[in-house]
Amino acid sequence: NAGVTQTPKFQVLKTGQSMTLQCAQDMNHNSMYWYRQDPGMGLRLIYYSASEGTTDKGEVPNGYNVSRLNKREFSLRLESAAPSQTSVYFCASSEMLGSGGTNSYEQYFGPGTRLTVT
Amino acid sequence: SQQGEEDPQALSIQEGENATMNCSYKTSINNLQWYRQNSGRGLVHLILIRSNEREKHSGRLRVTLDTSKKSSSLLITASRAADTASYFCATRNNQGGKLIFGQGTELSVKP
Repeated sequence: NAGVTQTPKFQVLKTGQSMTLQCAQDMNHNSMYWYRQDPGMGLRLIYYSASEGTTDKGEVPNGYNVSRLNKREFSLRLESAAPSQTSVYFCASSEMLGSGGTNSYEQYFGPGTRLTVT
Repeated sequence: SQQGEEDPQALSIQEGENATMNCSYKTSINNLQWYRQNSGRGLVHLILIRSNEREKHSGRLRVTLDTSKKSSSLLITASRAADTASYFCATRNNQGGKLIFGQGTELSVKP
């Protein structure tokens, strides 16, 4: 199993350009997530999809859109890139989102996309 | 705002020594998880401790949880150079399933 894959690995954009980050998982997981990681900020959740057909905003959704294309794929789109969106983007998946109880549902992460907006 | 705060932000030790990292959080949790991130890579799940557990072991890892103090610690015993990485705690609250990550502790183990 490849686990969680992301493309591209690196990308440089000019301000105002658009792009889509692709993510796919082959573990038959229901839930998928997009995070951004910035120095000193840890990981911040951008959007997530609890199950196929649903998406919800996370902590920092402004400037991004997502599409849960099917159970395997979850894409992140930047419509008009800004320098503030320079970051490393991680996609993750888990069996379920989990809600209360003692469910574990660890998350599995992709290798990341390093995005620079100039 | 971030739920978890790790301490210290950076830790440098010699191979063979023990490494202890701490995590504090603000609200009631369902469980707390620790992840490792090697440089330039994604995060990898290490261990999970539930809110009704106080201590958990996995190989050279020992995690404790004190819900009264809203804190957790990760101990890596007999550290190796390969343990060099950033370590993050992540909490899941009782209302929703989303994980909230801390800012991480950067561990350097010198051979």
